[in-house]
Amino acid sequence: DQQVKQNSPSLSVQEGRISILNCDYTNSMFDYFLWYKKYPAEGPTFLISISSIKDKNEDGRFTVFLNKSAKHLSLHIVPSQPGDSAVYFCAAGGNQFYFGTGTSLTVIP
Amino acid sequence: SAVISQKPSRDICQRGTSLTIQCQVDSQVTMMFWYRQQPGQSLTLIATANQGSEATYESGFVIDKFPISRPNLTFSTLTVSNMSPEDSSIYLCSVVGRGHSGANVLTFGAGSRLTVL
Repeated sequence: DQQVKQNSPSLSVQEGRISILNCDYTNSMFDYFLWYKKYPAEGPTFLISISSIKDKNEDGRFTVFLNKSAKHLSLHIVPSQPGDSAVYFCAAGGNQFYFGTGTSLTVIP
Repeated sequence: SAVISQKPSRDICQRGTSLTIQCQVDSQVTMMFWYRQQPGQSLTLIATANQGSEATYESGFVIDKFPISRPNLTFSTLTVSNMSPEDSSIYLCSVVGRGHSGANVLTFGAGSRLTVL
């Protein structure tokens, strides 16, 4: 049973606009939520995290929002750049983490 | 964050054989995690490798198929036994550490891409 879900397998956004990637989870006991970026033939690269006691965390162009009541988090990238094109995974857990199925983001120049 | 080295980076194996993947971390860590990413799929947690005790396996994964060693706090191996084409995946080693925001964060190795013919 998938504990973390990303319902959009792909997303295309114009350069300079906002990219919004969504993620849902089922376990209300998860403490931390993470976003990763992955290129083919590489391991996932950590982007940004948020703990369950917060509802927003911002790092440069990346902002993660957490809605605990809805068991939903989102990653906002603004402005989007062509170099952001990759597969993005969300993950949730505490010490062990469970990953969503990924969203392939394409930023169109 | 920790630096993780995995080898081999890739291999092509014959059906029925076994392959051991090594993971070296540049610092001592209590838990190491092994993930698998099958083609077009998400990252699936295989097991948690604890130093000094048996690994803890997730549902759907068993020790006979994926034996794990954890001889010290900086090293672990994952063996994929009696391989079949369905085992063709990227296998990833990871450790958890504390990020800047105070959250636990996973750091990954570059992965080992296994192709089983």
